[in-house]
Amino acid sequence: QVQLVESGGGVVQPGKSLRLSCAASGFTFKNHGMSWVRQVPGKGLEWVAVIWYDGGNKYYADSVKGRFLISRDDSVNTLYLQMDSLRDEDTGVYYCARDRGTTLMTLDIDNWGQGTLVTVSS
Amino acid sequence: EIVLTQSPATLSLSPGERATLSCRASQSVRGLLAWYQQKPGQGPRLVIYDASNRATGIPARFSGSGSDTDFTLTISSLEPEDFAVYFCQQRTNWPLTFGGGTKVEI
Repeated sequence: QVQLVESGGGVVQPGKSLRLSCAASGFTFKNHGMSWVRQVPGKGLEWVAVIWYDGGNKYYADSVKGRFLISRDDSVNTLYLQMDSLRDEDTGVYYCARDRGTTLMTLDIDNWGQGTLVTVSS
Repeated sequence: EIVLTQSPATLSLSPGERATLSCRASQSVRGLLAWYQQKPGQGPRLVIYDASNRATGIPARFSGSGSDTDFTLTISSLEPEDFAVYFCQQRTNWPLTFGGGTKVEI
């Protein structure tokens, strides 16, 4: 079955960096677009970034543009999110998420990880 | 940015009752709307995509309807496992946006 396992979260000071990873298994990773979506505990969801299945396109929320970088390594079935210049408002649970489409993008999510908590605090 | 407004914020119902959740978009999303279910401590689960298509493994008691700017998620007869928070999401324009959620509680 599809599994998405996030790692790399933790407590970090404002202005510092963190890299999240998402290990994917149970499906052909290279055929699916992938996203990062975050959630402040008890609050709503915010789409952070998406990368096309072929890596050809990447889109970011305005709130993270220029600070975060989404990437993928299909050889090890892993999605990444490099987060630089972190701010208090970046605090939240970060979910790795799989696009519903296969070798096409739908921008719906049909599988989510359990999430990794990032806390930005001095 | 397309804003999605969900109502009500909380829906208090009993098992066996019908649940009707609303999602209104600030501009037309042309039917490109999804619904997700989220339980405490878990990632969301896709329930409905493209306004009315049930996702894989979703029971027939879940149905979606609507177009343009007004959408509805209906759960015809609530089962104990259906009590959760439900979010809508549009994929018409970037940034992709979610509604604020409706909590269905006992």
